[in-house]
Amino acid sequence: NAGVTQTPKFRVLKTGQSMTLLCAQDMNHEYMYWYRQDPGMGLRLIHYSVGEGTTAKGEVPDGYNVSRLKKQNFLLGLESAAPSQTSVYFCASRKANYGYTFGSGTRLTVV
Amino acid sequence: DQQVKQNSPSLSVQEGRISILNCDYTNSMFDYFLWYKKYPAEGPTFLISISSIKDKNEDGRFTVFLNKSAKHLSLHIVPSQPGDSAVYFCAASEGTGGFKTIFGAGTRLFVKA
Repeated sequence: NAGVTQTPKFRVLKTGQSMTLLCAQDMNHEYMYWYRQDPGMGLRLIHYSVGEGTTAKGEVPDGYNVSRLKKQNFLLGLESAAPSQTSVYFCASRKANYGYTFGSGTRLTVV
Repeated sequence: DQQVKQNSPSLSVQEGRISILNCDYTNSMFDYFLWYKKYPAEGPTFLISISSIKDKNEDGRFTVFLNKSAKHLSLHIVPSQPGDSAVYFCAASEGTGGFKTIFGAGTRLFVKA
């Protein structure tokens, strides 16, 4: 039982480059989330999805896009990376009335 | 404006003693509260939760207390063990089925042997 798997685990981007972070869950959870963790800020919600084909904005959505074409996958895209997007990104999934299951994170550095 | 605040960035406790981690919230609509524990290079893992209909929930060495009038909750770990050294996040939501949860900034706990 893999739970929530994030790829890649580390990435360094140059300003202006694009990339996609992949999140996959094998628990048949309806809800999926992308958070970023920054020092002193805790976990802030970027985007979330309540089901296949649906997405919604969280607290800090600017500069990011997401897609949920399949129930088990939630992709986070950065079209033009900026140094302010240097962070640790966590994906999470859950089913209704239960707590989150988090992935192990992706550490992204934008130089 | 942070709706969930953990005002102590770090806490150091001797092994065997009690650890008390505090959390304050501002949104009176929050009625479900959770604590998550995070080790380095891992994602947060669920530790314990409490609904607003209760003022205490206990699970082994971990107890969460909720004071709704003060909009304050705390996590007590007794006795503290070196393996408890981690970052603890407080989180709050409107109902257990809420689409999103607001997390605090976290408190790093050091348990000294």
